[in-house]
Amino acid sequence: DSGVTQTPKHLITATGQRVTLRCSPRSGDLSVYWYQQSLDQGLQFLIQYYNGEERAKGNILERFSAQQFPDLHSELNLSSLELGDSALYFCASGQGETQYFGPGTRLLVL
Amino acid sequence: AQTVTQSQPEMSVQEAETVTLSCTYDTSENNYYLFWYKQPPSRQMILVIRQEAYKQQNATENRFSVNFQKAAKSFSLKISDSQLGDTAMYFCAFMPLVGKSTFGDGTTLTVKP
Repeated sequence: DSGVTQTPKHLITATGQRVTLRCSPRSGDLSVYWYQQSLDQGLQFLIQYYNGEERAKGNILERFSAQQFPDLHSELNLSSLELGDSALYFCASGQGETQYFGPGTRLLVL
Repeated sequence: AQTVTQSQPEMSVQEAETVTLSCTYDTSENNYYLFWYKQPPSRQMILVIRQEAYKQQNATENRFSVNFQKAAKSFSLKISDSQLGDTAMYFCAFMPLVGKSTFGDGTTLTVKP
């Protein structure tokens, strides 16, 4: 157990819908990272927050947005969902450069 | 932009033997961090080992060690005394001091009894 929690574990929704994924970092970690892992593929970096502010941005679609709240938890919002958005979404947290991953949220768009 | 290449999509090793997974990367930065993560069938991402680019000494964690060649931009992972529980996908990752993280496409390792 890395100490990073993600909810929900599984999510099934329809195309065009909007969902919110939640992440609680390890105690004391200021950084939160979001990744997307499609089936049998590597991890694609989406975005990083540090103490509430955006720190780095990857190839995150305009339909996706994220934020980190004052209590340091983070949410990833995915809207106008498409079939291709079906993936495992990971959150990671860390104090320095080492990232500790949560168990992920499995999103299935039908 | 940084790139990370894992040239071995699949590998296998006999239990108790040693195996080396390769990783090369490309960057213009001088200070950065490199990692190996393991993803078993449960799909949990587990940190295996970490290397700071400014350290010449290769990192070691129990049965896991790396061969870090900064000039060649190479970062291989050696697993000694392979165990059945080592069966997983292994990802090499590049993390700059500031900016986006980059993961390789992974190497699927199967440990055979």
